[in-house]
Amino acid sequence: KNQVEQSPQSLIILEGKNCTLQCNYTVSPFSNLRWYKQDTGRGPVSLTIMTFSENTKSNGRYTATLDADTKQSSLHITASQLSDSASYICVVSGHNAGKSTFGDGTTLTVKP
Amino acid sequence: DVKVTQSSRYLVKRTGEKVFLECVQDMDHENMFWYRQDPGLGLRLIYFSYDVKMKEKGDIPEGYSVSREKKERFSLILESASTNQTSMYLCASTLRQAGGFYNEQFFGPGTRLTVL
Repeated sequence: KNQVEQSPQSLIILEGKNCTLQCNYTVSPFSNLRWYKQDTGRGPVSLTIMTFSENTKSNGRYTATLDADTKQSSLHITASQLSDSASYICVVSGHNAGKSTFGDGTTLTVKP
Repeated sequence: DVKVTQSSRYLVKRTGEKVFLECVQDMDHENMFWYRQDPGLGLRLIYFSYDVKMKEKGDIPEGYSVSREKKERFSLILESASTNQTSMYLCASTLRQAGGFYNEQFFGPGTRLTVL
């Protein structure tokens, strides 16, 4: 069964600090992996998307890495801001447009 | 700027009522999706559509139906709402895949449905 597991489930950090969120998956075949940011009460917004040939992709202070061999991805947030407080969701897709597997998300709280 | 809109942000209905949730996208995307999101369960796919008048069941279709009469509009229908359908409902759309790669989903803002 295709699965996406994220860790930690929740995380609290101080403003200005860095953090790394983890995503392990067993989805096969693999097409791409996406990280989304979801603010409370809102729909998810895409941060990065990577195919199996991409190891790193950045979007401002967000950097995602992918190791397709070990089926692991991470999202690194640099110099966190209060507005980074949100749920971060890892999504892995195969070649079927309708079949994406979602992780349960990591809830990040950034405190002043 | 791409946009997916949903008809309501918040909705309160009574048990047994018929409920319509509408989603419209302006990106000319072929694929559209309906998910529900519950704490601890993540996003779960209810139905998706890859073309007008076409639909496929997702992981949790029971108690729901869908309609896609026009390419830009995808409706989710709760024939007889129940309290266990209280949830956040999210609509998304993507371009049809070519070559099996990028299929980034664009999400709407969500509808928080409460069934009393």
